[in-house]
Amino acid sequence: NAGVTQTPKFQVLKTGQSMTLQCAQDMNHNSMYWYRQDPGMGLRLIYYSASEGTTDKGEVPNGYNVSRLNKREFSLRLESAAPSQTSVYFCASSDRGANQETQYFGPGTRLLVL
Amino acid sequence: GENVEQHPSTLSVQEGDSAVIKCTYSDSASNYFPWYKQELGKRPQLIIDIRSNVGEKKDQRIAVTLNKTAKHFSLHITETQPEDSAVYFCAAIGYSSASKIIFGSGTRLSIRP
Repeated sequence: NAGVTQTPKFQVLKTGQSMTLQCAQDMNHNSMYWYRQDPGMGLRLIYYSASEGTTDKGEVPNGYNVSRLNKREFSLRLESAAPSQTSVYFCASSDRGANQETQYFGPGTRLLVL
Repeated sequence: GENVEQHPSTLSVQEGDSAVIKCTYSDSASNYFPWYKQELGKRPQLIIDIRSNVGEKKDQRIAVTLNKTAKHFSLHITETQPEDSAVYFCAAIGYSSASKIIFGSGTRLSIRP
């Protein structure tokens, strides 16, 4: 099992460019999440998907969109990147439906917006 | 809204001594409290968790205690070692599958040789 995988590992964007961060999990988990972590800060929830076909806003959703493509994949899109979106982005999954709340994190994507 | 406060933000202890990190939560519906460890440049990983029907849980040198009445829980690391140096995050989750997980702001633990 690869667990939770994310692509790309690193990305540099110019202000106004768009990009999609990809996340996939092979643990058959129902729930998936996107977080951002700014330097020296905690994890802030951007969006989450409690189950396939549903998505909901988290604490900091502005400037982002998500797609739960299927049970395995959950993508995060930046339509018009801004320097304030420079951060490390973590995807995570859990099996909330089975009362297994442990979150398994991907390796992260480091994004720099110039 | 729901909130999790974590203290201290930084902690430095002598190798071999104990470290304690404390968190308080606001949502009385929270019933699951995990602790994650994040080493520099790595992903957060679960180290221990506790559910609301239990007051204390121990795993070797790590223990977590929960006081539901006061809405606070703590991480205890005994006989600290250099590899314990990391950032530790607490979190609180409610029973409903729609409940969001709320993380504390993290504690940077440094172990002095």
